[in-house]
Amino acid sequence: EVDLVESGGGLVQPGGSLRLSCAASGLSVSETYMSWVRQSPGKGLEWVSVFYRDGDTYYANSVKGRFTIYRDNSKNTLFLQMNSLTAEDTALYYCAGDSAAGRIFRWGRGTLVTVSS
Amino acid sequence: EIVMTESPPTLSVSPGERVTLSCRASQSVSIDLAWYQQKAGQAPRLLIYGAFHRASGVPTRFSGSGSGTDFTLTISSLQSEDFAVYYCQQYNNWPWTFGQGTKVDIK
Repeated sequence: EVDLVESGGGLVQPGGSLRLSCAASGLSVSETYMSWVRQSPGKGLEWVSVFYRDGDTYYANSVKGRFTIYRDNSKNTLFLQMNSLTAEDTALYYCAGDSAAGRIFRWGRGTLVTVSS
Repeated sequence: EIVMTESPPTLSVSPGERVTLSCRASQSVSIDLAWYQQKAGQAPRLLIYGAFHRASGVPTRFSGSGSGTDFTLTISSLQSEDFAVYYCQQYNNWPWTFGQGTKVDIK
């Protein structure tokens, strides 16, 4: 059975940093198109970043230069390093994956990030 | 960035009715279009990809159609478990983008 478990969310001050983790079981992060998607009441669903199987990465314009997606194949874990956080980054962050690019069949339960002073 | 617009924002429906949801892209996305269902407190669930392919485990009452800029999700006979928010999403061009959702609630 496939399971994606996010962790690392929490309350952080504007300008601060957080690292989100997504521990995967039942699938290999190196053989799956892995993504971070966030959801906030004001902005709906937003695809934050995707890590292709071949190693290519893509970022939403809103996070480019501040967020970094990476994976640890030995731990079968996906990460999202988030720097220079603003209130606009407040959202529920989902880890997600699929065998094909662009769609998402597997979703985690999400981890909440709140940016506030 | 491709903007996805769903209509209507809310749809009030009785169980057993046929439901048609619309999604329009600001430019052509070919058939690189997915539909998701999201219930309160849950992650989205993939229903349709490639505009008309049902994802694994999705009941046959869900069907998708369209290409280019105009797409439709049809639920042939609404069941009680289908009351939820539905999102379309394009993956033809990065950044992949979602619509704002259509909420299907009980009439």
